[in-house]
Amino acid sequence: DGGITQSPKYLFRKEGQNVTLSCEQNLNHDAMYWYRQDPGQGLRLIYYSQIVNDFQKGDIAEGYSVSREKKESFPLTVTSAQKNPTAFYLCASSTLVGDRSYEQYFGPGTRLTVT
Amino acid sequence: AQSVTQPDIHITVSEGASLELRCNYSYGATPYLFWYVQSPGQGLQLLLKYFSGDTLVQGIKGFEAEFKRSQSSFNLRKPSVHWSDAAEYFCAVGAGVTGGGNKLTFGTGTQLKVEL
Repeated sequence: DGGITQSPKYLFRKEGQNVTLSCEQNLNHDAMYWYRQDPGQGLRLIYYSQIVNDFQKGDIAEGYSVSREKKESFPLTVTSAQKNPTAFYLCASSTLVGDRSYEQYFGPGTRLTVT
Repeated sequence: AQSVTQPDIHITVSEGASLELRCNYSYGATPYLFWYVQSPGQGLQLLLKYFSGDTLVQGIKGFEAEFKRSQSSFNLRKPSVHWSDAAEYFCAVGAGVTGGGNKLTFGTGTQLKVEL
């Protein structure tokens, strides 16, 4: 089955530690995205990538970093510089061809708790 | 910059009743509009989308939405709600970016509760 996988589902870290969230897709999509979700705030875009080895900052990139070494993978690192990292993180992907609606497909999410 | 407003944070309806969830957007050009649904602790599932053509769009699970440019609205409707529709619903507007794809801006969501 094609889809997006995120691991782990739950992640716990101590303050001051960097942590990397995994996102893999087998949909052959060119574009991948990372969002952060907080209660009552909807989803906010952190980073996105349209092609391997290239990515752009979204609206809330400070304290985060990404890489795109393979088309299928777009890991997100939450660094110690992120002031409030506890949140639900969602990865998405979309094609860049076809009907141009570029609808995004979402993974199941990773809940990160930093104490 | 684009923005989305979902004025209702919580809505409660009885099973079998009709449903309308409101969404207003702000965007300078012709928008790409989406409705997603999220069950607790899960990812988002696309219900329907609009980017051109017929302003009344049909989606999955019996949902539909109507794009009204004059009102900058894209309200989601369902004629008869089922208990399994209880979830959080997000409206989103997409702005095309150089190189392709969309930057999605989401509303803050509407939590739907269904009373049996």
